[in-house]
Amino acid sequence: QVQLVESGGGVVQPGGSLRISCAASGFTFNTYGMHWVRQAPGKGLEWVVFIEYNGNTKYYGDSVRGRFTISRDSSKSTVYLQMDSLRPDDTAVYFCARTHRSSWGFFDSWGQGTLVTVSS
Amino acid sequence: ETVMTQSPATLSVSPGERATLSCRASRGVTSNLAWYQQKPGQAPRLLIYGASTRASDVPGRFSGSGSGTEFTLTISSLQSEDFAFYYCQQYTTWPLTFGGGTKVEI
Repeated sequence: QVQLVESGGGVVQPGGSLRISCAASGFTFNTYGMHWVRQAPGKGLEWVVFIEYNGNTKYYGDSVRGRFTISRDSSKSTVYLQMDSLRPDDTAVYFCARTHRSSWGFFDSWGQGTLVTVSS
Repeated sequence: ETVMTQSPATLSVSPGERATLSCRASRGVTSNLAWYQQKPGQAPRLLIYGASTRASDVPGRFSGSGSGTEFTLTISSLQSEDFAFYYCQQYTTWPLTFGGGTKVEI
């Protein structure tokens, strides 16, 4: 079955950096696009970034463009999110999610999330 | 960006009753609309895509309708496991955007 397992979350100071990972299994990783979606404590869902199945196309949300970078390693079936210049409002649970087979734009499988806390 | 607005914010219903959740888009999204269910401490789960297509293993009591700017998620007879948050999401234009959510409570 499809499994997405996030890791790498933690506490980081404002202005700092963190890289989180999402290890995928149970499907052919290099045929699916992947997303990161985040959820601040007690808040709703916010889409963050997308990467195409081959890594060629990437789309970023306005709030993270220029600070976050998505990448993927097909040999490890893993997608990464490098987060720089972190701000307190980046505090959230970060979920990785797989695109549906029919469209890049919605998510048919989700990981359990990893918590990133930006605080001094 | 396309702003998604969900109403009501909270819906109080009894088990066995019908629940109707609304989602409005600030501009037309054709039928590129998905619905997700999220329970506390869990990841979201895809319920509906293409405005009206149920995802795999989603019970038949969940149905979606609408196109353009107005959408509805209907739960025909609420079960105890259906009390949760529900989010709509458009995927016509980037950035992808979610509604603020509806909490379905007893």
